Amino acid sequence: GAGVSQSPSNKVTEKGKDVELRCDPISGHTALYWYRQSLGQGLEFLIYFQGNSAPDKSGLPSDRFSAERTGGSVSTLTIQRTQQEDSAVYLCASSLASRTGNSPLHFGNGTRLTVT
Amino acid sequence: GESVGLHLPTLSVQEGDNSIINCAYSNSASDYFIWYKQESGKGPQFIIDIRSNMDKRQGQRVTVLLNKTVKHLSLQIAATQPGDSAVYFCAEHRYGNKLVFGAGTILRVKS
Repeated sequence: GAGVSQSPSNKVTEKGKDVELRCDPISGHTALYWYRQSLGQGLEFLIYFQGNSAPDKSGLPSDRFSAERTGGSVSTLTIQRTQQEDSAVYLCASSLASRTGNSPLHFGNGTRLTVT
Repeated sequence: GESVGLHLPTLSVQEGDNSIINCAYSNSASDYFIWYKQESGKGPQFIIDIRSNMDKRQGQRVTVLLNKTVKHLSLQIAATQPGDSAVYFCAEHRYGNKLVFGAGTILRVKS
């Protein structure tokens, strides 16, 4: 596709339920990032995938959060036993960046998660 | 810890005037900086980037200035238009590391 695609665009779930958020990066992009943005706030880093390297999970706020990237393309962010404080917009981004150089991240429009 | 921050949370400018959005960073090892624009309900959109071996870079109506001596980054928007109204984020990057974002500045353009 032309850009990073995220689904669903909106998700409302009950506290305690599990949710899966999907990200389709730009074809050929080797790096994939997940960020979280609370209302009126900046972007909080969650996890970073680069090629076949082990992901950088240093931003995941708790063990209820996990992510995987299958075949070096599509990524899924899973939140187990959701809490109200998990409500936020979850943004995915991809780039051509490698560990030897940088290029800008291209973001999707995010998934707005509301935990009731 | 190390962070990237913005001096002004909200900037109001008259349509047609120039806008300057400032950003301070604390990590001297950062070698790549990016400005993003975020409109309501959308993800951040790339505006312009600059590498640490440069002091200035120009795009269409936008200019980014980098002062490594004082660890300061600025985004200049010429002839600001209503469509420029958005939240602007600066971000810093180091090789092989995650992109760290500042808190954001709201730009409001008055017609």
